[in-house]
Amino acid sequence: AQTVTQSQPEMSVQEAETVTLSCTYDTSENNYYLFWYKQPPSRQMILVIRQEAYKQQNATENRFSVNFQKAAKSFSLKISDSQLGDTAMYFCAFRSGAGSYQLTFGKGTKLSVIP
Amino acid sequence: NAGVMQNPRHLVRRRGQEARLRCSPMKGHSHVYWYRQLPEEGLKFMVYLQKENIIDESGMPKERFSAEFPKEGPSILRIQQVVRGDSAAYFCASSDQFVKNTEAFFGQGTRLTVV
Repeated sequence: AQTVTQSQPEMSVQEAETVTLSCTYDTSENNYYLFWYKQPPSRQMILVIRQEAYKQQNATENRFSVNFQKAAKSFSLKISDSQLGDTAMYFCAFRSGAGSYQLTFGKGTKLSVIP
Repeated sequence: NAGVMQNPRHLVRRRGQEARLRCSPMKGHSHVYWYRQLPEEGLKFMVYLQKENIIDESGMPKERFSAEFPKEGPSILRIQQVVRGDSAAYFCASSDQFVKNTEAFFGQGTRLTVV
């Protein structure tokens, strides 16, 4: 079974600074998908960014980018120019590429952006 | 196009009562997934349904829990004889096809509190 580990329960960053959230996962598969979801206080789960394992290029969405290290099974999220609205729980998630639909989530990292 | 709608947002039940959680998928979506988020945890998969069919209920407790997605109307997650340990946030997600090739969109969740 796949597992997803987020080793940082809480983090904080000054507004406009850069922060990196860590995520490691364990799988024996070669083809899979990785995601970062944001859960603000409203509790809505919002997809931030997605990475396909067969793509070597790291995904980027505006201020959000990932560092995908397939051999190390590492998938960190970098948030640049942090904004107060980035304050939220961030969850790393894994989905098998072999016709699966289940997302396996980490326990999350609580990010606070300090003005 | 309204997103995934879940209601109620908050539900309080006494031990032994029944809880009914509703999920209306996005327009045009016929695949629904239910997840549970216990305090301080990530989301965990419960059940996957298509219209009138349960595809995978491997994550759902065998007793007291049931789910349906009728031809007309929302998907319902039903918890009978609730216990304190059922207190959690329950999320629904939907997709317009088998999620391998697309993303599932989440609702805002229902927070169930058992007193």
